[in-house]
Amino acid sequence: EDKVVQSPLSLVVHEGDTVTLNCSYEVTNFRSLLWYKQEKKAPTFLFMLTSSGIEKKSGRLSSILDKKELFSILNITATQTGDSAVYLCAVGVFSGTYKYIFGTGTRLKVLA
Amino acid sequence: NAGVTQTPKFRILKIGQSMTLQCTQDMNHNYMYWYRQDPGMGLKLIYYSVGAGITDKGEVPNGYNVSRSTTEDFPLRLELAAPSQTSVYFCASRKGLGGTDTQYFGPGTRLTVL
Repeated sequence: EDKVVQSPLSLVVHEGDTVTLNCSYEVTNFRSLLWYKQEKKAPTFLFMLTSSGIEKKSGRLSSILDKKELFSILNITATQTGDSAVYLCAVGVFSGTYKYIFGTGTRLKVLA
Repeated sequence: NAGVTQTPKFRILKIGQSMTLQCTQDMNHNYMYWYRQDPGMGLKLIYYSVGAGITDKGEVPNGYNVSRSTTEDFPLRLELAAPSQTSVYFCASRKGLGGTDTQYFGPGTRLTVL
């Protein structure tokens, strides 16, 4: 059974701290790994990592994919209160068609 | 482009009632998905569609039905609502480029079954 596990489940930090969120997976026919940020509404897309793009960076956020060890990390440097959200990891798999398996998310709270 | 739109935003149902959650996308995407998200949990796939006239079950299809008569619309039907269907429902779509494109989500429908 395909599985995506995120850790930690929740995290509280102070502004300016650096955080690392983890996503490990066990799936067949891996195609992509996506990170989303979810505040009190729909998930918004952050990054997609594939075999041809295993490292992405955007401002204070960066992510890497380790296809050998089957995990990804999302780093946020110099955290701000606006980074408070649930961060979701989803793995795209092909099983006759393309589907996404979501982890349960990491809830990040950044204190001022 | 409006992207992915969902109606209604909120709904309260009584046990045994039925309703249809509407989802429309104007991006000419082939793939459409329905997810539910229970409190503190990730998203679970209910049904998906790879194109007009083609639908298939996801992880948690029981108690739901879908149809895809057009590329734009992918309604989700709840028959005989149960308290276990209290959740937030998200519709999503993607173009379908070999698994290397991202999903776009609608704003969600918060459903409570009492």
